[in-house]
Amino acid sequence: AQKVTQAQTEISVVEKEDVTLDCVYETRDTTYYLFWYKQPPSGELVFLIRRNSFDEQNEISGRYSWNFQKSTSSFNFTITASQVVDSAVYFCALRRGGADGLTFGKGTHLIIQP
Amino acid sequence: DAGITQSPRHKVTETGTPVTLRCHQTENHRYMYWYRQDPGHGLRLIHYSYGVKDTDKGEVSDGYSVSRSKTEDFLLTLESATSSQTSVYFCAISPSPGQRGDTQYFGPGTRLTVL
Repeated sequence: AQKVTQAQTEISVVEKEDVTLDCVYETRDTTYYLFWYKQPPSGELVFLIRRNSFDEQNEISGRYSWNFQKSTSSFNFTITASQVVDSAVYFCALRRGGADGLTFGKGTHLIIQP
Repeated sequence: DAGITQSPRHKVTETGTPVTLRCHQTENHRYMYWYRQDPGHGLRLIHYSYGVKDTDKGEVSDGYSVSRSKTEDFLLTLESATSSQTSVYFCAISPSPGQRGDTQYFGPGTRLTVL
């Protein structure tokens, strides 16, 4: 069985601080895919990033960066110089190869205070 | 943005009544999914489809059925709605594995309240 754990239920920081959202996953598959989604207060789910199990290269996209470490089964997400618009619920998700659906963590509610 | 619509967007119904939610896509993607989102649970997979008339169960399929008679439409039916099915329902689509990273893209959601 697959499992995704987002231990941080809620994080509150002041604008311009850096913040890291943790994601730990469990799977017995050797091929799998990891995702991060953002859910702003408006409710839609916005895709942020996808990572394959065989590609541990970290990625940076503007103020966002992701650290994938197979040795610790973690796929952490860092926002640098946070902004109020980053306030949202962030979900980490896992999928095995094939047509299976996503296994989601319970989400981290990020609050950026001005 | 992926062309996904869900209807209705909001619905209030009574216990015991049948309810059908519709997901419509314009991307011609092969795979479609239904999830429900509840506080404290994140999103959980209900059913998914890997082609016309091809469906399979997810983690929380009890009390739900699905149908897919056309590539573009995926219907979720609650045969006899219960209060425990009050939730926000999301549809998602993805291309075949290996194409564009087979990322799942989500519709806007349907908020269902069962009284």
